Amino acid sequence: EIVMTQSPATLSVSPGERATLSCRASQSVSSNLAWYRQKPGQAPRLLIYAASTRATGIPARFSGSGSGTDFTLTISNLQSEDFAVYYCQQYNNWPDIFGQGTKLEIK
Amino acid sequence: QITLKESGPTLVKPTQTLTLTCTFSGFSLSTRGFSVGWIRQPPGKALEWLAHIYWNDDKRYSPSLKSRLTITKDTSKNQVVLTMTNMDPVDTATYYCAHGGPPFDYWGQGTLVTVSS
Repeated sequence: EIVMTQSPATLSVSPGERATLSCRASQSVSSNLAWYRQKPGQAPRLLIYAASTRATGIPARFSGSGSGTDFTLTISNLQSEDFAVYYCQQYNNWPDIFGQGTKLEIK
Repeated sequence: QITLKESGPTLVKPTQTLTLTCTFSGFSLSTRGFSVGWIRQPPGKALEWLAHIYWNDDKRYSPSLKSRLTITKDTSKNQVVLTMTNMDPVDTATYYCAHGGPPFDYWGQGTLVTVSS
């Protein structure tokens, strides 16, 4: 079973600045990697799939990169709604595995 | 527009069987390519994928929970049903259903299930 490790667990960044979140797979997942944002009390929302493709309605300040085992989500010009928890998910092999999440908080 | 909504009991007793229903609109599970998954999230913890069902009735389960889970679909009602046997307090979580391959591009609002005597 693939293990997905997200880092850091908590990231403190000021509004308007850029945040860089990492996700590492214990074995290659090719580009079958998605990112989700979850605001408190809400369901997750798909941000990025296929490692770098923005989902419908997701602004260009969200970008994903990487392939194989190492992936990055970059959020530029942080807005208030971006302070939330972010999860990566591999879907290259069953079972689907989510990472443990990165909490992005206001500095 | 795709929407999904979970329904079921909010409280179950230990050892009981949980039955959750996902009622969806905007797509059909009799159409090639469509699928629905179940994911749960204990309070304050991470997401955990549980099960998935495809338009062709192909089913996938979390290995750690496979013996306790059953996923089925009723295409005439646009519903997917998840049953989980032998519930335990550690199964207390918000349970979500979601549309997607994966990845999951549309999610229900989730339903909190508490396991307690």
